[in-house]
Amino acid sequence: NAGVMQNPRHLVRRRGQEARLRCSPMKGHSHVYWYRQLPEEGLKFMVYLQKENIIDESGMPKERFSAEFPKEGPSILRIQQVVRGDSAAYFCASTLGSSYEQYFGPGTRLTVT
Amino acid sequence: GESVGLHLPTLSVQEGDNSIINCAYSNSASDYFIWYKQESGKGPQFIIDIRSNMDKRQGQRVTVLLNKTVKHLSLQIAATQPGDSAVYFCAERVYNQGGKLIFGQGTELSVKP
Repeated sequence: NAGVMQNPRHLVRRRGQEARLRCSPMKGHSHVYWYRQLPEEGLKFMVYLQKENIIDESGMPKERFSAEFPKEGPSILRIQQVVRGDSAAYFCASTLGSSYEQYFGPGTRLTVT
Repeated sequence: GESVGLHLPTLSVQEGDNSIINCAYSNSASDYFIWYKQESGKGPQFIIDIRSNMDKRQGQRVTVLLNKTVKHLSLQIAATQPGDSAVYFCAERVYNQGGKLIFGQGTELSVKP
């Protein structure tokens, strides 16, 4: 029973490029949360999605960031025109629903040069 | 020049001793609390949780205590082992806010053999 999968595990982008981060939830889970972690800090909530719906995007920066969770396929976190300050670890967590335990993936470490 | 940055609080214990990690949470409307363990390069791993209608919960070698009066949470690890070395985060879930987790800063636990 595979856990939450994220890819790529490491991603290097130059300033101005686009970054696409993928998250495949655990089997049977239709809810996904994305969090960002800066070095030596706790995780910060970004966005909560169900299949084909964004439920809460209160933690997303207003520009350049978007997320989707299509009916088929993984959830995608997209960062356009990356800047150095976007360098961080991005984690997704999947769950059966908002009142259930969240299971975290291994994260994608984004480095912007 | 001198570099300035955030540093995680650190707890150093001897193998076999008990460890206590503390956390102050922020929102009196939080109804659910979780402790996570994060090893280097990995995602957060669930350790133990507690609901706001409880003040103590025990697992295998771990105990969580909740003091709602002062908004304080603690994690006790009995007979600490080298494999317990990691960063530990508390997280809170605010009632009726869609399940997103609010993470504390984290404490780095170092176990000396």
